[in-house]
Amino acid sequence: DVKVTQSSRYLVKRTGEKVFLECVQDMDHENMFWYRQDPGLGLRLIYFSYDVKMKEKGDIPEGYSVSREKKERFSLILESASTNQTSMYLCASSLRVSNQPQHFGDGTRLSIL
Amino acid sequence: AQKVTQAQTEISVVEKEDVTLDCVYETRDTTYYLFWYKQPPSGELVFLIRRNSFDEQNEISGRYSWNFQKSTSSFNFTITASQVVDSAVYFCALIQGDYKLSFGAGTTVTVRA
Repeated sequence: DVKVTQSSRYLVKRTGEKVFLECVQDMDHENMFWYRQDPGLGLRLIYFSYDVKMKEKGDIPEGYSVSREKKERFSLILESASTNQTSMYLCASSLRVSNQPQHFGDGTRLSIL
Repeated sequence: AQKVTQAQTEISVVEKEDVTLDCVYETRDTTYYLFWYKQPPSGELVFLIRRNSFDEQNEISGRYSWNFQKSTSSFNFTITASQVVDSAVYFCALIQGDYKLSFGAGTTVTVRA
C-alpha cells in the first residue's frame, strides 16, 4: 500500500513565523501535491511537483513556496505565516500518468495565531 | 476551465437507508477522468473509484455503486443500506490532460444509528 506521511497532525504557529510542512511518500511516485482544505471550498491545489527540483503553481500559490530536493519528499513553506493560512493541509502523491489516483496523507491542521 | 459541483452540503440518514450523492461536472475535453474520494473523521482521503470518459458502464462494489451519465455530465454515488462507518465527507473530482484534480466542495454524510 502507498504510504504518504505528513510530519505533523496538528501545528500551532504565530503570525510572521516561517513554517515548514513536510511530506514523504514511499512508493517512488513522480508526482507530489500540496492542497489546502477549507469548509465549503473543498480541496484547492497550492503547488505540485512532477519531478525532483521541478514545481508548478496550482490555483492558490500566493504566500507559499515548495521544495523538492529528493523524489520522496515534498515540503510546503509558509514564508511569513498569516492568520488566513489557518487551514487543513493535505499532501498527495501519484504516478506520472495523469489518470492515476492520488494518494493522500492524514493531513496537518495548522493554526496561525 | 473545469468545474465540479456537489450541490448537497450535508446529508443525514438513519442506518440502513440508501443515500445518493450528486456530482455534476463541466469540461470541454472529450478525454477526462472522474474520481470519488472518502474522507472519514480521521482526515485521510481514501480513493474509492476512477472512471474514464469513454466508459459509461455503471459500477457496483459491495454497498457502493456509481452512475456515470455523460449526457447530463453527472457521476452520482449511491451507498446502499448505509452504516455508521459510512459517515464521512465525500468528494467528487475531475482530472483532464495534466495531473491536477479539480475537487467539488464535498458532501458530509452522517449516518445515525
